[in-house]
Amino acid sequence: DIQMTQSPSSLSASVGDRVTITCRASQSISSYLNWYQQKPGKAPKLLIYAASSLQSGVPSRFSGSGSGTDFTLTISSLQPEDFATYYCQQSYSTLITFGPGTKVDIK
Amino acid sequence: QVQLQESGPGLVKPSETLSLTCTVSGYSISSGYYWGWIRQPPGKGLEWIGSIYHSGSTYYNPSLKSRVTISVDTSKNQFSLKLSSVTAADTAVYYCARDLGAAAGGNWFDPWGQGTLVTVSS
Repeated sequence: DIQMTQSPSSLSASVGDRVTITCRASQSISSYLNWYQQKPGKAPKLLIYAASSLQSGVPSRFSGSGSGTDFTLTISSLQPEDFATYYCQQSYSTLITFGPGTKVDIK
Repeated sequence: QVQLQESGPGLVKPSETLSLTCTVSGYSISSGYYWGWIRQPPGKGLEWIGSIYHSGSTYYNPSLKSRVTISVDTSKNQFSLKLSSVTAADTAVYYCARDLGAAAGGNWFDPWGQGTLVTVSS
């Protein structure tokens, strides 16, 4: 199985801050990496697919980068509606796995 | 606009079979894409259960494969999940979602249903 880790597990930030979340795979997954946002009591929402492609309708302040084993999700200027938990997900393997999540809350 | 809605019992007894249905609106399952089930235990992370193509082709999480069956009913534009021999560890919010990426060689899920909490308890 391909194990996914995320760092940090949680962070506190202020509106307007630049936020970076890291996701690491236990082996190379090329660019088969996706990012989701989940708010409490809601379903996850796709933000980024194939490591760096912005899903339609997602604000441009979200961006993704990386390949191989190391990936980042960046929020260029944190907005009030961005406080949520973020998950990465790999699909290189037929066993699809998610990272443990990074919770972004208000400082 | 594609929408998915899960339905099924919210309470299942241990050792019994959990059965859920996902109804798709705004898109015909027969037109393509894979369709998946993902679950999330309370306060925990996401676990992919399995996915199905409109033709009926399936692939499952090996850790659940012996207990899982996913099927599709294109006439009703629905796909379903059955998980047998459930225990308290299967208590979770169960989501259905469209797998947008399978045709491109990856798997990314969008949109998702709102989710349904299934509790396993006697």
